[in-house]
Amino acid sequence: DAKTTQPPSMDCAEGRAANLPCNHSTISGNEYVYWYRQIHSQGPQYIIHGLKNNETNEMASLIITEDRKSSTLILPHATLRDTAVYYCIVRINFGNEKLTFGTGTRLTIIP
Amino acid sequence: GAVVSQHPSRVICKSGTSVKIECRSLDFQATTMFWYRQFPKQSLMLMATSNEGSKATYEQGVEKDKFLINHASLTLSTLTVTSAHPEDSSFYICSARDPAGVTDTQYFGPGTRLTVL
Repeated sequence: DAKTTQPPSMDCAEGRAANLPCNHSTISGNEYVYWYRQIHSQGPQYIIHGLKNNETNEMASLIITEDRKSSTLILPHATLRDTAVYYCIVRINFGNEKLTFGTGTRLTIIP
Repeated sequence: GAVVSQHPSRVICKSGTSVKIECRSLDFQATTMFWYRQFPKQSLMLMATSNEGSKATYEQGVEKDKFLINHASLTLSTLTVTSAHPEDSSFYICSARDPAGVTDTQYFGPGTRLTVL
């Protein structure tokens, strides 16, 4: 069962903010929203996660709607090195709860 | 963030041989490690969950006798692909959970590309 829905691909101009949407309309109250990215031929990289409040770290910002049915990952000033597949995952945040990867969004940063 | 390494990064072997891949957590102790497989142009698929000192838990459809997992210490898990065949050629990625970290999330290794001739 697909827990998240993401657009298959997006382009963004270098230097602009990249906004990646994710729908998770069936999210449970105890599930967090996680974002990972995978640059070609590398292992996934953790970006950020949140429950219901907006979150920001050195890599990105995560905006979660009040009803928690969707979220947006924001890369404030995209660079060419941000070209990757971005995965939005919902997961209970405890123990050995596994990560289930969907197909993600292939983000291409255009020079 | 926490660092996870894998060795080797790339391996080519003949059909019928066995290949061992190591996954290490370099700066934290990982009671749980995960092994994924990724075929070209596809997403990561979880193969098994490896717990230190106990038997691994395999996902449905993954042969435990073919993909042997050993998690003998808090910083090392190994995946051995036994009697490898060309259809086992794939990108194998491990991750390790850092329970003491701020995020309690999984950190991934760089992956091992296996080619079976």
